[in-house]
Amino acid sequence: AQSVAQPEDQVNVAEGNPLTVKCTYSVSGNPYLFWYVQYPNRGLQFLLKYITGDNLVKGSYGFEAEFNKSQTSFHLKKPSALVSDSALYFCAVREVGGFKTIFGAGTRLFVKA
Amino acid sequence: GAGVSQSPSNKVTEKGKDVELRCDPISGHTALYWYRQSLGQGLEFLIYFQGNSAPDKSGLPSDRFSAERTGGSVSTLTIQRTQQEDSAVYLCASSLAADSNQPQHFGDGTRLSIL
Repeated sequence: AQSVAQPEDQVNVAEGNPLTVKCTYSVSGNPYLFWYVQYPNRGLQFLLKYITGDNLVKGSYGFEAEFNKSQTSFHLKKPSALVSDSALYFCAVREVGGFKTIFGAGTRLFVKA
Repeated sequence: GAGVSQSPSNKVTEKGKDVELRCDPISGHTALYWYRQSLGQGLEFLIYFQGNSAPDKSGLPSDRFSAERTGGSVSTLTIQRTQQEDSAVYLCASSLAADSNQPQHFGDGTRLSIL
């Protein structure tokens, strides 16, 4: 069975500091991994994905994520946080060849000016 | 339109009434998904369609919930005899195909309030 864990309900960082939002996953086979962001009263927006190849994936708005197969992790990172990055972030996994995407519970990011 | 469109954006109704929520996916997307989100929480999977068929209905909470998709495009989620616990945001998403590595594209949701 597939599962996704986002161990932090909330992450607080100061503007200009680096941020990390953690995600670990469990699948039987190889994974497709995704990060989405949700702003208030909006649907989820796609940030980036890992399919295969380079373990460091770059996405929208300066975000990147590092795939670590041995630790089954896919942490989201940004070198310098902006106040406008404050939002709800979701990690998601789908097994290669599978049909169902499983979403984590979400991590709320607060960036303080 | 360019994105996934959901209507209505807000719906307030009395307990016991039936409601119908609509999703218009991105043109050419064969996969369509329905999720439920309670008060800024995580996403609860309800059902997905590949074309007009629904291979996985395992997430529908009860037999009061049903969904259909016609013409491989528009989908409707129907909740009969609504209960207060049905209050939530219902999100629809579409993607090129359910088994592809492409991301899902989400609508802005229908906020359902049961009085």
